[in-house]
Amino acid sequence: GAGVSQSPRYKVAKRGQDVALRCDPISGHVSLFWYQQALGQGPEFLTYFQNEAQLDKSGLPSDRFFAERPEGSVSTLKIQRTQQEDSAVYLCASSLSASGSYNEQFFGPGTRLTVL
Amino acid sequence: AQSVTQLDSHVSVSEGTPVLLRCNYSSSYSPSLFWYVQHPNKGLQLLLKYTSAATLVKGINGFEAEFKKSETSFHLTKPSAHMSDAAEYFCVATSNSGYALNFGKGTSLLVTP
Repeated sequence: GAGVSQSPRYKVAKRGQDVALRCDPISGHVSLFWYQQALGQGPEFLTYFQNEAQLDKSGLPSDRFFAERPEGSVSTLKIQRTQQEDSAVYLCASSLSASGSYNEQFFGPGTRLTVL
Repeated sequence: AQSVTQLDSHVSVSEGTPVLLRCNYSSSYSPSLFWYVQHPNKGLQLLLKYTSAATLVKGINGFEAEFKKSETSFHLTKPSAHMSDAAEYFCVATSNSGYALNFGKGTSLLVTP
């Protein structure tokens, strides 16, 4: 289909390893969001892109987390030196328009990261 | 500051009986409110949204929610549960940024035959 896709769907990392999570938003969607969902919790906002510009990264939990969207379409969330507390499902969402007014966010299936 | 509280972490109903999932919000402004559903191994799906037009909002699959400002509530209801309704439900509000979403902790709905 033409929904948001994420890869890999599952990732197991040893503590201290770097990981990269990919998000393919719906084609033409201007806005892209990353959320982190810990076990048994609701998703929490990490960062927001409008095209290639990262306008808000206030939710990134530490400087080990880095996100990019260099061409305004595909986005990568990178986590350096993973820790056990990074274990979570990472959700990507996209919406058609820019920020300032709410537009429906379409979510991908998520990447489940397990750090051993 | 803004927060969303889902009052029940688990709700169990029999097939064919009504569903009520409760949500309260607190906010210094009037947020947009939503209910999302998450089926296992599937992405979050928007059920319905309130954006200050009508206080009673109808969504997909027979769900509806009523915004009550005096009670700061946005409860989700359905007249008759179906087995396929079993899933995790999230009450969500826009943050003061206008774009980021604040999620409640979720309510797991179990539907028994």
